[in-house]
Amino acid sequence: AQKVTQAQTEISVVEKEDVTLDCVYETRDTTYYLFWYKQPPSGELVFLIRRNSFDEQNEISGRYSWNFQKSTSSFNFTITASQVVDSAVYFCALSESLGGSYIPTFGRGTSLIVHP
Amino acid sequence: ETGVTQTPRHLVMGMTNKKSLKCEQHLGHNAMYWYKQSAKKPLELMFVYNFKEQTENNSVPSRFSPECPNSSHLFLHLHTLQPEDSALYLCASSQEGLYGELFFGEGSRLTVL
Repeated sequence: AQKVTQAQTEISVVEKEDVTLDCVYETRDTTYYLFWYKQPPSGELVFLIRRNSFDEQNEISGRYSWNFQKSTSSFNFTITASQVVDSAVYFCALSESLGGSYIPTFGRGTSLIVHP
Repeated sequence: ETGVTQTPRHLVMGMTNKKSLKCEQHLGHNAMYWYKQSAKKPLELMFVYNFKEQTENNSVPSRFSPECPNSSHLFLHLHTLQPEDSALYLCASSQEGLYGELFFGEGSRLTVL
């Protein structure tokens, strides 16, 4: 079973639309960390956000916002007023303690295409 | 200098060749990782080095051989590869206390003929 599920393989929107990328995770740990990364065509995964399991406060950063709900094991990512530059593959990841080290497990990614 | 640098960016090799991928991090981190990214598959963790010691080997075939001479450099030696090994190989680094937050290089695109 996948620990991190990103059910949306590809999403296509027109510029200025809002879009939400879904992420559902599975863990038995009480302490864990969740991440979102962006992978543009250049290939490098770029860190967007880290959230620990004890902090369910939603976060907003410019056009980006994240909704963390432990009750549904979800950590969704919304882009408001999308732009062409937002086109990329977005990965959700879960980090659990393994002998004291935290190594992330990634979802399969959601490819977002923003059309002008 | 960018945080994590990978060379070469593109590599084409035959099944009998021996080549190496190189990764260098300029962030002062103590952990380095190799991931494999194939089309339509999730990112696969291959190896983890912590303070130059290998701490994870995710059942990777022996035709992939990692080397970590110091905390700033990581190599992936390749020999007798198969066409299904064609993928983007991503290097990342991290630091204790970041709880798994990784800093990635741009990847080395490998094609095995």
